Amino acid sequence: AQTVTQSQPEMSVQEAETVTLSCTYDTSESNYYLFWYKQPPSRQMILVIRQEAYKQQNATENRFSVNFQKAAKSFSLKISDSQLGDTAMYFCAFPFGSNFGNEKLTFGTGTRLTIIP
Amino acid sequence: DTGVSQDPRHKITKRGQNVTFRCDPISEHNRLYWYRQTLGQGPEFLTYFQNEAQLEKSRLLSDRFSAERPKGSFSTLEIQRTEQGDSAMYLCASSLLTSRPGTDTQYFGPGTRLTVL
Repeated sequence: AQTVTQSQPEMSVQEAETVTLSCTYDTSESNYYLFWYKQPPSRQMILVIRQEAYKQQNATENRFSVNFQKAAKSFSLKISDSQLGDTAMYFCAFPFGSNFGNEKLTFGTGTRLTIIP
Repeated sequence: DTGVSQDPRHKITKRGQNVTFRCDPISEHNRLYWYRQTLGQGPEFLTYFQNEAQLEKSRLLSDRFSAERPKGSFSTLEIQRTEQGDSAMYLCASSLLTSRPGTDTQYFGPGTRLTVL
């Protein structure tokens, strides 16, 4: 089955704290990217970070980093020094079918993150 | 560099009416995707184009739905005889086909929110 699972429907943290959002997926494919997208309330879906599966080094983008465990099929997002603007719905996404030329994304159910002032 | 644009941003229609949405991708992107997102859920794949060719349609895309990308640039999504269950956010995304499967990065537009009364 091609599934992406986000087990935390909602999370909240104090401003400036660190928070980790979890994501697991199930695939037999070998080379792929994994993605985290952010969707603020009534706003556009924005790419936060992507991870190349064949790279052992975890991706980092400023305050955002991933912990990618390929064997465990786990792809968590860590947000350091959280800011009020980080309040959003966060989706993990995987391109199932990519080894057959289709890059359509399958999204998890999302984690609603609230940063508390 | 302009991003993905969608028009209209909001559409309210009565059940049974036809509606058409437009998506303009990032100019050099040759792949274009349509997704549907209902409240509190992640986006679900509907269909995608590579240049002007429609390469895959989800089973979510009933016969009432049709999509086109006539010159490989903008795309339209038409829903005929709308039903209340069609109420959702319709998202468009575009990407640039790369040489390695699974490594396209999709950039999303702001979406068109459809309400069927």
